Amino acid sequence: GENVGLHLPTLSVQEGDNSIINCAYSNSASDYFIWYKQESGKGPQFIIDIRSNMDKRQGQRVTVLLNKTVKHLSLQIAATQPGDSAVYFCAEPEGSQGNLIFGKGTKLSVKP
Amino acid sequence: DADVTQTPRNRITKTGKRIMLECSQTKGHDRMYWYRQDPGLGLRLIYYSFDVKDINKGEISDGYSVSRQAQAKFSLSLESAIPNQTALYFCATSGGFPKNIQYFGAGTRLSVL
Repeated sequence: GENVGLHLPTLSVQEGDNSIINCAYSNSASDYFIWYKQESGKGPQFIIDIRSNMDKRQGQRVTVLLNKTVKHLSLQIAATQPGDSAVYFCAEPEGSQGNLIFGKGTKLSVKP
Repeated sequence: DADVTQTPRNRITKTGKRIMLECSQTKGHDRMYWYRQDPGLGLRLIYYSFDVKDINKGEISDGYSVSRQAQAKFSLSLESAIPNQTALYFCATSGGFPKNIQYFGAGTRLSVL
């Protein structure tokens, strides 16, 4: 597959454990945030988003937590499965036109 | 079928050649984007278009051009390819505010020799 994971922080977890992936954002005025998952050989895939007026949002097996005080975002994956192995990155809006700024990502490896 | 389709998926070309990467979408979105992805550098915006008559340069537009042929089609051209344009290229679309979630194609792996 493509080497999108080179030079990225890596998180290795055992299958069945919970995973926590972190992201620091830069703009305290950002009003929403998005998490993407990128599997090897594929394009980024939208997972979940959260607005800045929320601290927590839950999806299926995923939870995003937002700490605006320290400008920190985390993605929690419950009962991590081999299919969760991918690069995960966060995104925040840039400027008034709403383009996105993407983080460089974290590579999640799930050990069977 | 994929909502955002990129062609070709892989391309090998030589320095100096002109090539075109194509993107089409069936999501009915107005906004389309071209990014390149390099190891360790994340996604960087090349060009974006908010509608057929609107084209904007992104962070790294030098050496690239685009054409928005229709709402559903946005192509990226390398007029004279050079080796440091070897990368993964992604097209994305979005429906705009209030949540500008972008949806990506599967990517084109381009190698310039």
